[in-house]
Amino acid sequence: GQNIDQPTEMTATEGAIVQINCTYQTSGFNGLFWYQQHAGEAPTFLSYNVLDGLEEKGRFSSFLSRSKGYSYLLLKELQMKDSASYLCAVPPGGSYIPTFGRGTSLIVHP
Amino acid sequence: GAGVSQSPSNKVTEKGKDVELRCDPISGHTALYWYRQSLGQGLEFLIYFQGNSAPDKSGLPSDRFSAERTGGSVSTLTIQRTQQEDSAVYLCASSGVENTIYFGEGSWLTVV
Repeated sequence: GQNIDQPTEMTATEGAIVQINCTYQTSGFNGLFWYQQHAGEAPTFLSYNVLDGLEEKGRFSSFLSRSKGYSYLLLKELQMKDSASYLCAVPPGGSYIPTFGRGTSLIVHP
Repeated sequence: GAGVSQSPSNKVTEKGKDVELRCDPISGHTALYWYRQSLGQGLEFLIYFQGNSAPDKSGLPSDRFSAERTGGSVSTLTIQRTQQEDSAVYLCASSGVENTIYFGEGSWLTVV
């Protein structure tokens, strides 16, 4: 099994930068996913990290450190529409079926 | 199809009735997943298909839940004798060779 830990809730100001952390424990490692989920909607794929380091994709970047069991999602130039839940997901060793954390609810205010 | 398609999008059923939820994955995706999400909760894994076989059924909460997949494409999740605690959104997802999982819009089930 594995444990995935994320903060429950974060708030930030429009235009600012926010970092959402995720720590995990797993017996093996087959990559780490980040998903965005707006209230009442299905999760949408943001990123998939397999190797250590930072991957940038527009306003969103994702970082991974396998040795530390740690990842973060960095959101720049925050917009009101970024208010959503951000889910960290890790497949357990030997599997490609992601187990999801409880998610971090991000509230962006003016 | 272009994305994962699920039906019905909303279902209200009486306690004790059976329901069937359908998922049509992205064309060419061999892996198919069912998750459940109760209000305000995280995603709970139910079952995974690779082709038509289900190597991992560990998440099915009880024997009232079953799923099948035919032709390596469409999948049906069946809940027998529904209970109020079955009320949730049932999310289907699929993935191809790149392992990235794409979700459908979900089937919102309410048991009254």
